[in-house]
Amino acid sequence: DVKVTQSSRYLVKRTGEKVFLECVQDMDHENMFWYRQDPGLGLRLIYFSYDVKMKEKGDIPEGYSVSREKKERFSLILESASTNQTSMYLCASWADRRSAAQNYGYTFGSGTRLTVV
Amino acid sequence: SQQGEEDPQALSIQEGENATMNCSYKTSINNLQWYRQNSGRGLVHLILIRSNEREKHSGRLRVTLDTSKKSSSLLITASRAADTASYFCGNTGGFKTIFGAGTRLFVKA
Repeated sequence: DVKVTQSSRYLVKRTGEKVFLECVQDMDHENMFWYRQDPGLGLRLIYFSYDVKMKEKGDIPEGYSVSREKKERFSLILESASTNQTSMYLCASWADRRSAAQNYGYTFGSGTRLTVV
Repeated sequence: SQQGEEDPQALSIQEGENATMNCSYKTSINNLQWYRQNSGRGLVHLILIRSNEREKHSGRLRVTLDTSKKSSSLLITASRAADTASYFCGNTGGFKTIFGAGTRLFVKA
């Protein structure tokens, strides 16, 4: 019954490394999102995508990029990891606004806790 | 900041009591969603209330929306220990949802 899968639950990377966080959804949703969650700051939107090969910056895109080559997969890339990118990363998907399924809100993955040392 | 403000930040109650948490925004509210997050996991969608609705129920959950005050409340009735979690509101406009910082609820058995 897994709907949004994030490739890793825990990840430890070194400063300067290029990091790939993968997210796959099996609900045929058009919209996919990457958030990071930090204590006291809630969830902050990094990037989102409303269609294949389409991407839009969220509120904190600096230091990140994304890739959506297929509808079901949305990848977050940390070009050169830094310690201030240590965080919980959450991927989510959401049905198109024209779909009644949009009433069910976002479906989140279980999250990837990334530590950059 | 567009981030929603949630109140209280933390709430501790006895099993069987009701829990109320509030959420407000500085910007207008379009569609308001509530989510639950168990420790270290992803968020689970609870309920969505549209801007033209004032109240919505789902099981033991009751959500109200006041667009003039740009605020919403989530009421959990007859709470259970299993309700212990963090609760987040999210204001959705277009493709984006702006989340609040969350309320941590602890229900004591």
